Amino acid sequence: AQSVSQHNHHVILSEAASLELGCNYSYGGTVNLFWYVQYPGQHLQLLLKYFSGDPLVKGIKGFEAEFIKSKFSFNLRKPSVQWSDTAEYFCAVRSSGGSYIPTFGRGTSLIVHP
Amino acid sequence: KAGVTQTPRYLIKTRGQQVTLSCSPISGHRSVSWYQQTPGQGLQFLFEYFSETQRNKGNFPGRFSGRQFSNSRSEMNVSTLELGDSALYLCASSDTTSTDTQYFGPGTRLTVL
Repeated sequence: AQSVSQHNHHVILSEAASLELGCNYSYGGTVNLFWYVQYPGQHLQLLLKYFSGDPLVKGIKGFEAEFIKSKFSFNLRKPSVQWSDTAEYFCAVRSSGGSYIPTFGRGTSLIVHP
Repeated sequence: KAGVTQTPRYLIKTRGQQVTLSCSPISGHRSVSWYQQTPGQGLQFLFEYFSETQRNKGNFPGRFSGRQFSNSRSEMNVSTLELGDSALYLCASSDTTSTDTQYFGPGTRLTVL
């Protein structure tokens, strides 16, 4: 069974600070990886995804993530956060050849102070 | 295209009652999945329907059931509600090609008193 671990449950930053949220997964096969974001009062939205190819993936709003296969990691980064990035961030993984259902991490709550 | 819609958005029930939640997927999407989101457990997969058939199922008791109609709309039913069923229930739809992703609705907030 696959599992996803997000190490930081709560992160508090000031505007313009750099962000890195950790995500590690456990699964032996080929995977698809996702980061979703849930802004306060809004629904879960796809931030970026990795299926194959360049392991550095760029998403919306200046976010990027790097897939490091040897470390089973898919960390999310943003060089300079804004107050509007305050949200809950979820990492998810699914096996590329099996079920379409992703397994989600427990989420990281990010608060950005202006 | 319109996004995934869920009704109702908020629901308050008492223990022992049953509830039905509805989800309309993005037009053209044939797969609908349901998730339960709680602060303690995070996002947990309930089940997935594709072409009116349940294709995948998570580890939830039989009180949780669902169905999908020919127009891909889906309903989820929870019988004999318990306090622990209080959660945000999310519906997601996808096109189910090999590179598809899931698109989520706003959720139904269920409170069981």
